[in-house]
This record gives sequence, structure tokens and C-alpha cells, in this order.
Amino acid sequence: NAGVTQTPKFQVLKTGQSMTLQCAQDMNHEYMSWYRQDPGMGLRLIHYSVGAGITDQGEVPNGYNVSRSTTEDFPLRLLSAAPSQTSVYFCASSPRRRAGEQFFGPGTRLTVL
Amino acid sequence: GQQVMQIPQYQHVQEGEDFTTYCNSSTTLSNIQWYKQRPGGHPVFLIQLVKSGEVKKQKRLTFQFGEAKKNSSLHITATQTTDVGTYFCAGDNNAGNMLTFGGGTRLMVKP
Repeated sequence: NAGVTQTPKFQVLKTGQSMTLQCAQDMNHEYMSWYRQDPGMGLRLIHYSVGAGITDQGEVPNGYNVSRSTTEDFPLRLLSAAPSQTSVYFCASSPRRRAGEQFFGPGTRLTVL
Repeated sequence: GQQVMQIPQYQHVQEGEDFTTYCNSSTTLSNIQWYKQRPGGHPVFLIQLVKSGEVKKQKRLTFQFGEAKKNSSLHITATQTTDVGTYFCAGDNNAGNMLTFGGGTRLMVKP
């Protein structure tokens, strides 16, 4: 099993550009989530999904969209990148339809100029 | 909304000394989880506590969940350089669909 994979590892965007961060898991986990981690801060939940076709907002959803068309994939879209979205983004999954033990991906380091 | 605070933010210890990080929630938690993140890495799950007053041990690590289920602690006995990293607690909301992470405690160990 590859676990949770994220692409790209690094990305630089200009203000106003859009892009999609990819996340996939091969563990047949129901729950998937996106967090952002800023220096000196913990992880803040952006969006989550308790199963295919179901998504919901977390703590800091503004400026981000998600979809969950399959159990395996949970992409995060930045609609119009802003410097405040410079961060490290982690995708995570959990076996059941709740926020239990989270398995994290390696992260995507995003810089918005 | 739910807030989870963690102290201290940083801790420098000499190898062999003990270390403790504390976690406090503004609301009662259904459970609490602990994670470790090595420098440059991703968070890795350590443990979950569910019961009021629960104490669990993993080798040199001792985890406690408060009686009121609003606070928790992680204690490391005789730290080693391999313990270096940031330790996060995360509280589960009552609906069980969202984790709120504390700000983390960064542990640095001098050999």
C-alpha cells in the first residue's frame, strides 16, 4: 500500500492563479480531510469528507473547494490564490466515517507570490 | 467554536531529562489524539484516549486524559535525541467529524 499520496510536493503560484492539489489513498478509508499548517501553528482543518459524494467545511474553508467523486481521491482546489494561502497542505484519511486516527500524506508546500 | 490550547510552545531539554506537554480544550471532548511530527515530516498518530481519567503508556511515553475530558498531557521519561519533533494534541468534536489541533509543542533535545 502506498498509503496517502499527495502531488505536487512543491508549488509556486502567482496571485490570482488557480490550481488543484491532488490527494489519493489506497486504504479504502471513508474519511478524508485537508489541513493547512502555518509556521508556529497547529494544523487547521479546511474541508473534510465522510464518504464519496459527501463534503463539508472545516475551520478555514474560504478560498478552497473540494469534491469527493470516489473513495480514493479528494482534490483541493484553490480558486484564486492569495499570498495568505502560502502554507504547507496535508491531506489525511481515516478508516471509518469519522475523524479517528488520521493517516497523513507527505504534504504539499505552496508559495503564493 | 472549539479551541485547543497547548503549552509550552517550545521546550529545550538535555538528553535524559523528562519532558511534559499539556493540552487544554475549551469544551468537553469525546476523545483526544496525540501526534508527533518530525522536522520536515508529516504528523504521525501516536495514540487515542477515550475514557475519563484514562492513562496509557508506550515505552517511555505516558498519556493522560483528564477526569473532565477537557485536558490531557504527554510525558516523556528520559528523553532521547530520537524524541525530537513537534507533539500535537487533537480533540474530537462531539459529532466526531472534525479534529481540532493544538498549536503543538516543539521538543529539542541536546545530546
